[in-house]
Amino acid sequence: DAKTTQPTSMDCAEGRAANLPCNHSTISGNEYVYWYRQIHSQGPQYIIHGLKNNETNEMASLIITEDRKSSTLILPHATLRDTAVYYCIVRGGDSNYQLIWGAGTKLIIKP
Amino acid sequence: GAVVSQHPSWVICKSGTSVKIECRSLDFQATTMFWYRQFPKQSLMLMATSNEGSKATYEQGVEKDKFLINHASLTLSTLTVTSAHPEDSSFYICSALPVASYNEQFFGPGTRLTVL
Repeated sequence: DAKTTQPTSMDCAEGRAANLPCNHSTISGNEYVYWYRQIHSQGPQYIIHGLKNNETNEMASLIITEDRKSSTLILPHATLRDTAVYYCIVRGGDSNYQLIWGAGTKLIIKP
Repeated sequence: GAVVSQHPSWVICKSGTSVKIECRSLDFQATTMFWYRQFPKQSLMLMATSNEGSKATYEQGVEKDKFLINHASLTLSTLTVTSAHPEDSSFYICSALPVASYNEQFFGPGTRLTVL
């Protein structure tokens, strides 16, 4: 699977939008971009995924560049409970369902 | 959303004993389940892929005789850490892939194993 690059950590003020970038310059045509988050000492939580179109759900928005080499996860109104490690993962879309986890971004929401 | 449970949520055992961790999909069936291990301040590391009714596929460097995986039904997979040692102390997490839905894995809450 393609590797991803994320900043090690980010801060965001409570109530503001948190924008988390991810580079995946070697992504191939059938690979999806997935975002998960992990709150301390809990299992990961699915957030959103996309192939090439921008996606939005009740948790977040995913913006994928036209060349698909990078993406941004947007939490529109961050709360203290959004403090977590956020993982951007590129996964094959056909038969390989394994998720290969990088280091992720530690997002700290400050009051 | 789909729920995956793990039992126990934490366990402390003596060195040399075996520990079994259960992973259950509560409201869906899962042909495939994954087992991960996570050491403090590190990311998740895939240990093995478990398919119902067949042998698990282990990642390189993971001892299959030490980490026994059984996936006997579409809602239950178990991981047994045999002859546990302190270096096996870790956070073990499972995930389940719903049958006929290959987009989203649902994760359990994790099991904290401490081997004394």
